[in-house]
Order: sequence, then C-alpha cells, then structure tokens
Amino acid sequence: EPEVTQTPSHQVTQMGQEVILRCVPISNHLYFYWYRQILGQKVEFLVSFYNNEISEKSEIFDDQFSVERPDGSNFTLKIRSTKLEDSAMYFCASRDRGNSPLHFGNGTRLTVT
Amino acid sequence: AQSVTQLDSHVSVSEGTPVLLRCNYSSSYSPSLFWYVQHPNKGLQLLLKYTSAATLVKGINGFEAEFKKSETSFHLTKPSAHMSDAAEYFCVVTRPGTDKLIFGTGTRLQVFP
Repeated sequence: EPEVTQTPSHQVTQMGQEVILRCVPISNHLYFYWYRQILGQKVEFLVSFYNNEISEKSEIFDDQFSVERPDGSNFTLKIRSTKLEDSAMYFCASRDRGNSPLHFGNGTRLTVT
Repeated sequence: AQSVTQLDSHVSVSEGTPVLLRCNYSSSYSPSLFWYVQHPNKGLQLLLKYTSAATLVKGINGFEAEFKKSETSFHLTKPSAHMSDAAEYFCVVTRPGTDKLIFGTGTRLQVFP
C-alpha cells in the first residue's frame, strides 16, 4: 500500500537555525498537510495546501513557517529561525480528492537545543 | 467550535476481553468523526470514520464505533482485544467545509496477556 514518507525521522538543531522537514506524499494525492504534536500535548493542525497554495493555516503557522511543493513529489515545511518551543513531532499527511481520509507519515521528531 | 474529549488517558485490558475507549464531542455543526491509531514509531492510521451515514461504523482490525447524537459520544469498541492492539488511539472531529482535524488528547491502550 502506498505510504507518506517523511525524512529525517529525527532532526536536532540549534535555536535560531533554519530547518526543513521533508515529506513525499502519496503520488496521486492532491491535498497536503502538516500537523505537529508537542510532547504530552494534542496533535495540532498547522497548514493545508492545495493547488500550489495554502488553503488553510492555524494561528501557530506564523511568518517563521513556510511550505513548498518544489517539484511533483516533495512537500516541505521550513522553519526559518527555530525556537525551543518548536520541538515536537511533525506529521505530514496527504489525501486524494473528495472526502477521502488523510494518510499520515511516521513523523519527524524535531529537537531544538 | 469543535472539540473532542477522550475520557481516559490510559486503558488496560487483558487479551481476549472487550475494549471500550470513550470519546465525547462538541460541535456546532453536523460533525465528521474519526478514530486514528498510532503504534510506536509509526504514523497515524485511520481506524474508522463517521460522516452522517450509518450511526454504527465498522473499521479495520475488528473495531467499531457508534455515533450517539443524544449523548454527543463516539465511543470505540472491540469485542476481544489482541496484543497487537496496544497503541495510542485518537478521537478526531472535523466539520463540513474545512480540512482541519481537531484531535483529542489520546488514550493509551495496554493489553496484558
């Protein structure tokens, strides 16, 4: 069965550094998402992306965050200048058209030191 | 606004006994409701979803959930637990017209031999 693939599985970075989290959604999917889960807290919506633009974003997704689909297969989340509170598990998800369910990747654990 | 409350942070059962994971929702609209499961070091996998069709929804791995509007509940059940069911389970709500999933805090299910 096709899967959403996220790399790396664990990323450690220093505060103030830029980080890019990478995702390869399922190939025929059209809608793309990032969610995050801070340790011990709920999974939270960050952003949804469709037709090469952001369709919805949360208040967490401020100017420090950006998303991009640089080619036909990758979907990236960039954090421009990381803060300690950005440490979390970041999940990428994708789905097909209509009311199809989201398929999630295994996540990237980001640790900001 | 939409929200879900998972009433138990941890549930422990013996293998072969029934499983009940409780979820109550709050929604100003007719909600769509989901249960996702997360096994260790894995992504979030859809177990089942309710989208205003039959109130009893069957999912994968023998799980089912019943939508009860009068009780604003969407509890997840399974007649007989298996060791492989040990995981974190998330109740999720969304409303028509948005892609944003609202997650509960999760219930960790332990299954003892």
